[in-house]
Amino acid sequence: AQSVAQPEDQVNVAEGNPLTVKCTYSVSGNPYLFWYVQYPNRGLQFLLKYITGDNLVKGSYGFEAEFNKSQTSFHLKKPSALVSDSALYFCAVRDTGGTYKYIFGTGTRLKVLA
Amino acid sequence: EAQVTQNPRYLITVTGKKLTVTCSQNMNHEYMSWYRQDPGLGLRQIYYSMNVEATDKGDVPEGYKVSRKEKRNFPLILESPSPNQTSLYFCASSLQGPPDTQYFGPGTRLTVL
Repeated sequence: AQSVAQPEDQVNVAEGNPLTVKCTYSVSGNPYLFWYVQYPNRGLQFLLKYITGDNLVKGSYGFEAEFNKSQTSFHLKKPSALVSDSALYFCAVRDTGGTYKYIFGTGTRLKVLA
Repeated sequence: EAQVTQNPRYLITVTGKKLTVTCSQNMNHEYMSWYRQDPGLGLRQIYYSMNVEATDKGDVPEGYKVSRKEKRNFPLILESPSPNQTSLYFCASSLQGPPDTQYFGPGTRLTVL
């Protein structure tokens, strides 16, 4: 079955330090991969996506993600975390089984400590 | 302002009482979708629609119905709600289907007693 895994429920990082939020996927064929962020009491907002091409994708608010086909991963990174980055982050993948469904991960709560 | 709107934002109801959550977008998007968000389970797709009169099941369609009679509207219908449908619901839309960016509504918190 096609799936997305976010192995960490929560990630804590000190302000100014680099952050990584992990995502691995399992789909057949070439994946379309996405990161969305949810701030408290808000809907989800798009951060970035990988479709094809350069494995390093740059997105909103200084975030980037690296597509690694051999490790089936798409980790979200930021060189220097801000307290305002504290939120819930979701990784998602487009189903490649002939539908137009999306599969989301369970989410990772990022807490940036001042 | 380009947006996805949902109504109501909060709803408390009782088991078996039919309800509809409305979703509307003003961006002329073809693709619309409904998700539910539950702690520990993340977002799960309920239904999606590629265009008017074209709807398809997501991963958790049981107990839900949708319709797409106009491009801008995509209501979610619970004909006989049950307590296990207590959840936070999000509507989303995108210009076309994947991989176009989805724009999410603010969410509807539903409690079924």
